[in-house]
Amino acid sequence: DTEVTQTPKHLVMGMTNKKSLKCEQHMGHRAMYWYKQKAKKPPELMFVYSYEKLSINESVPSRFSPECPNSSLLNLHLHALQPEDSALYLCASSPQQGYSYEQYFGPGTRLTVT
Amino acid sequence: AQKVTQAQTEISVVEKEDVTLDCVYETRDTTYYLFWYKQPPSGELVFLIRRNSFDEQNEISGRYSWNFQKSTSSFNFTITASQVVDSAVYFCALSAAGGTSYGKLTFGQGTILTVHP
Repeated sequence: DTEVTQTPKHLVMGMTNKKSLKCEQHMGHRAMYWYKQKAKKPPELMFVYSYEKLSINESVPSRFSPECPNSSLLNLHLHALQPEDSALYLCASSPQQGYSYEQYFGPGTRLTVT
Repeated sequence: AQKVTQAQTEISVVEKEDVTLDCVYETRDTTYYLFWYKQPPSGELVFLIRRNSFDEQNEISGRYSWNFQKSTSSFNFTITASQVVDSAVYFCALSAAGGTSYGKLTFGQGTILTVHP
């Protein structure tokens, strides 16, 4: 089973709202990732968790707050977003963090900020 | 610094045609991995292949084949007898052993493939 699930599939939120994106994998992977993808662009890495600890933060604004409650779950908490944050948010996992591992992606959450 | 270039922004073919997607990469590392991902309209990136820098053997998987040439820093992807279901955005990506962002994928800009019936 190479499945990564994400909820919700679509999310519309106002600039003053607080919402969370959820990601789950049951492949026993110990590295999990958040990406942001704008239309017709490649995914941009936001955060990497390795063994439930934040390993990489690609200088993401503090209005995005990641959380890794356990080895299977990854959350992205959203607060006071801007319209330019509207994008497809993709979660991924890999057996471990490292250059040799392929990443498995979820279907994404399409976020619209109004 | 690492860089992946997919010079073909969009390709349009008719079903059953063969199509090759080009990927050229740059890295100073001698140890690296190359990947291809497919992103259909549904949005999910689907892993297709991983190739390490020490293995220049070409690979074939059904209608898909990959040609890795270190001499030209290229990792091209060919779909034989294309089908409508192959319509998607295809990304080539590189991950190298060095650098501060360990395990970070450097993506190309992607090639939009449209297969017409």
